[in-house]
Amino acid sequence: DIVMTQSPPSLSVAPGQPASISCRSSQSLLHSDAKTYLYWFLQKPGQSPQLLIFEVSKRFTGVPDRFSGSGSGTDFTLKISRVEPEDVGVYYCMQSIQLPITFGGGTKVE
Amino acid sequence: QVQLVQSGPEMKKPGASVKVSCKASGYSFTRSGISWVRQAPGQGLEWMGGVNPYNGNTKYAQKFQGRVTMTADTSTNTTYMEVRSLTYDDTAVYFCARDTVDWGQGTLVTVSS
Repeated sequence: DIVMTQSPPSLSVAPGQPASISCRSSQSLLHSDAKTYLYWFLQKPGQSPQLLIFEVSKRFTGVPDRFSGSGSGTDFTLKISRVEPEDVGVYYCMQSIQLPITFGGGTKVE
Repeated sequence: QVQLVQSGPEMKKPGASVKVSCKASGYSFTRSGISWVRQAPGQGLEWMGGVNPYNGNTKYAQKFQGRVTMTADTSTNTTYMEVRSLTYDDTAVYFCARDTVDWGQGTLVTVSS
């Protein structure tokens, strides 16, 4: 199984300040179809996860542009340029290049 | 818009089975796979497996092979996930998700004697 390792486990950020979350995979997530199957989700308290970023850097519909994803191969980063109060929750990275789909352990942003 | 509506909370005894449903609307049911993901209290997300409603093909995480069955009913646009031989460790919120984009509201399954 591909192991997804996130850091830090938690992050305390003042509103308006930037935040950065790292995700590392135990194998490359670059597929032969040239796509990299790395996703970012936010799970707000008491809610279902919501997709933020797919294929490393593509923002999902309606996701504010303060969220950005970058990286390649096995190292990825989610950045929030200016954290807003509604960004509080747990962020997960996920890979789907290989079954079983696996998630990182999560980063709690408060 | 796409909606995935799951069945209500369940309380089961150890050794029992539970079947959770996920009713889809707002898209062509047979054109997207449905995954099931669970989240134990205070823990992260765990992929259990998925079903292709078009042909009924399933893939399960090895951990759940033989104990979990996922099915799809195209007449009602509903996906089902059954877990057998429940233990206390199966206490979790179970989510269905369409292509990881759209998620159900989650179903709390509590295993307690």
